[in-house]
Formats: sequence, structure tokens, C-alpha cells
Amino acid sequence: KAGVTQTPRYLIKTRGQQVTLSCSPISGHRSVSWYQQTPGQGLQFLFEYFSETQRNKGNFPGRFSGRQFSNSRSEMNVSTLELGDSALYLCASSGGTGNEKLFFGSGTQLSVL
Amino acid sequence: AQSVTQPDIHITVSEGASLELRCNYSYGATPYLFWYVQSPGQGLQLLLKYFSGDTLVQGIKGFEAEFKRSQSSFNLRKPSVHWSDAAEYFCAVGPTGGGNKLTFGTGTQLKVEL
Repeated sequence: KAGVTQTPRYLIKTRGQQVTLSCSPISGHRSVSWYQQTPGQGLQFLFEYFSETQRNKGNFPGRFSGRQFSNSRSEMNVSTLELGDSALYLCASSGGTGNEKLFFGSGTQLSVL
Repeated sequence: AQSVTQPDIHITVSEGASLELRCNYSYGATPYLFWYVQSPGQGLQLLLKYFSGDTLVQGIKGFEAEFKRSQSSFNLRKPSVHWSDAAEYFCAVGPTGGGNKLTFGTGTQLKVEL
């Protein structure tokens, strides 16, 4: 069974640009969560999608958005990039019952110059 | 608001020695508690999880954790560490309202000396 796939693996952008990250969950999983990981702030929850609906949201500005498609694949978008958005963005999938085992991808490393 | 504290940023142990990583949580109700491990350049992998029942939880790779409500702690232990255990370990607490919104601690970096 294939694991969680995140693309691209690395991304370099400049301030003011926008970026879209993609996450393909494990087959059959209906929940996709996104986390931002930085050395200073650690792991912070961005949002969770379940059956194409946002189920939970973290404390991030509106520049951070996401969506989930009918095949459970998810994308997150960051508009008007800032230097502080440089981070490892991790996606995790699960069946969707909540408080369950999360399967994480290897992440997308975003560098904003 | 819920929170998780991992007081030790770095820990170094010798291979074969025992290990205990500390985790304290702040939560109003009975929490869902997790330990995840992250190897360099990788995502996180679940070691074990606790919600109710036996307060000593067994996980993968020989790890266990004990829930102590009176101390608001959920410490991770391993009797004999292997060099391959070197990684970063994260304690997390889950939400009461459903879903998978985890609050993570800042992590403990484990170094294993051969």
C-alpha cells in the first residue's frame, strides 16, 4: 500500500509569490491534515479536511488555505509569501474517525527568499 | 487551551542504556495522548497512543509510555536504546471535539552514543 505522497519535495519561491502544495493520502483515507514545522515554532496545525469539508482550522492567517478533492487528495495554498513562511509542510492522512493514527508524508520543504 | 511541554530539548544516552523522555500536558478533560518519532528528512511515525484503560501503553519498536493523571504526564520509556533510535520525539495531545487537530510539544532530540 502506497504511503502519503507530497509533491514537490522542495520548493524555492520569492516573497510575494504564491505556492500550491499537493498531498495524496493513503488509499481509502478520508481525512487529510496539514502541519507547518519550523525550528522556532515547532509543529503547528494548519487545517484538516474530511470528505471535502474543512473540519478543523489552526491559527494561521487567511493567506493559508486548502481544499480537498473528491478522491481525498488535498492541496494547500499560500498566497503573498513572506520570509517567515519558510518551513517544512507536512501532510498526514487517516481514516477520519478522529484522534486516530496519522500517517505522515515526508513533507515539502519551502524556502522563501 | 491545551498545551504540551517537553522539558528536555536534547538527550544523549549510550546504546543499551535505558531511556525516559518527559512529557507534561495541560488539558481539561481526559486527553488523547500520542508519541510520534521523526527521523531526519522524514515525516512523523506514531509510536503509541493513549486514551483510556491501562495507563501503561505499549508501542512499536519496544517503546512504552505511562499516563499519570495526578502528574499530568505521559513519559516515554525504552529499557535498552539502539543506535537506530536516534531521532526527534514528539509528544502530542488530541482534541475533544473530534478530528485530528493535534497539539505537539517542541520535541526532544535523542542522540545515541555507541
